[in-house]
Amino acid sequence: AQKVTQAQTEISVVEKEDVTLDCVYETRDTTYYLFWYKQPPSGELVFLIRRNSFDEQNEISGRYSWNFQKSTSSFNFTITASQVVDSAVYFCALSEDSTGGFKTIFGAGTRLFVKA
Amino acid sequence: DTEVTQTPKHLVMGMTNKKSLKCEQHMGHRAMYWYKQKAKKPPELMFVYSYEKLSINESVPSRFSPECPNSSLLNLHLHALQPEDSALYLCASSQGEGLYSYEQYFGPGTRLTVT
Repeated sequence: AQKVTQAQTEISVVEKEDVTLDCVYETRDTTYYLFWYKQPPSGELVFLIRRNSFDEQNEISGRYSWNFQKSTSSFNFTITASQVVDSAVYFCALSEDSTGGFKTIFGAGTRLFVKA
Repeated sequence: DTEVTQTPKHLVMGMTNKKSLKCEQHMGHRAMYWYKQKAKKPPELMFVYSYEKLSINESVPSRFSPECPNSSLLNLHLHALQPEDSALYLCASSQGEGLYSYEQYFGPGTRLTVT
């Protein structure tokens, strides 16, 4: 069975600090997909990144970077020089093939508070 | 246009009422989803439609009935709900479903309260 663990329930940082959000997953499939979504207080989930299991390249997009390590089943997310607008709940998600199609499950989420 | 719209934004209904939630996307996406999200919890998958056919039903009670009239529209019909069904209902769409898993684009949700 697939599982996503985000051990950090809440993180509080001061603006301009770097912060890393951890994500550990479990799956039996060799083909799977990992995602990060952001849910600001407004409630709408926003897609941040998608990674397939065959692409372990790390990625950087502006202040955001992601570290995918299959050896440790982790897909961690780092925000550099955090800003107040980064305050949100961040979900890591795993999608793998099941009967009928790909099924996505979300981790419990990490609530990030960035204080000015 | 990368927008998924949902109506209504808020809905209060009694346990004997029948209501519907609506979702629309114009991105040409061929997969659409319903999720339920309780406060301080992650979204839980309810249904997946792929090419207008129901492909995944996560053992959702029959008081929730999904419908996909066409590739742009997704409805969720509600009947005889319970107070514990109160939650944020999120609709999402993705480019496709089947061989690959694509990122999903979410609507703002309908906040449902069952009294």
